[in-house]
Amino acid sequence: QKEVEQDPGPLSVPEGAIVSLNCTYSNSAFQYFMWYRQYSRKGPELLMYTYSSGNKEDGRFTAQVDKSSKYISLFIRDSQPSDSATYLCAMLLLGGGSNYKLTFGKGTLLTVNP
Amino acid sequence: NAGVTQTPKFQVLKTGQSMTLQCAQDMNHEYMSWYRQDPGMGLRLIHYSVGAGITDQGEVPNGYNVSRSTTEDFPLRLLSAAPSQTSVYFCASSKRTPGDEQYFGPGTRLTVT
Repeated sequence: QKEVEQDPGPLSVPEGAIVSLNCTYSNSAFQYFMWYRQYSRKGPELLMYTYSSGNKEDGRFTAQVDKSSKYISLFIRDSQPSDSATYLCAMLLLGGGSNYKLTFGKGTLLTVNP
Repeated sequence: NAGVTQTPKFQVLKTGQSMTLQCAQDMNHEYMSWYRQDPGMGLRLIHYSVGAGITDQGEVPNGYNVSRSTTEDFPLRLLSAAPSQTSVYFCASSKRTPGDEQYFGPGTRLTVT
């Protein structure tokens, strides 16, 4: 089983739709969970950052973490064409000192059609 | 603040040539990392640094060298380019811990023929 699994899509939705993006993971030691957004030919940018089970909301974006199921989600409400991008999940384990393990999902390509 | 800058944006090398990809950040971040991104492979860590003078290997370090003489700069050197190193390279920095809330540069697209 891969450590982090993310459906690559592509996912195509109409403007205004609710989008659900998901990742599963196998390492229960991961402590921090992030979502990055990457526009075509650009670097990733941090979108959401959480460290506990439950929901975190920021505008139209909600990050959900379920540690018992090893499952994280990103919901986008009222999706806009400007949300069209690749979304990467990332999971972080800090091992003390400079030791850490950061694993990215392979990304889901989202297109929001006007 | 310019954030994280990378040069060049594009580069074509012949097999066996060497070159240095430049990365600089003006946020006074201690932690910096280099990744490569390949289709279907996601982002993979090449090398990282937890401060000036301290570097360590990531997941795919072979064929690459790094050094960190200042907080601001973290260059990546390709010693003898191979076609397998054709990729998009991203530099990232973070403030609190390595891998945590990273700021990425715009990337360098490298082709090795």
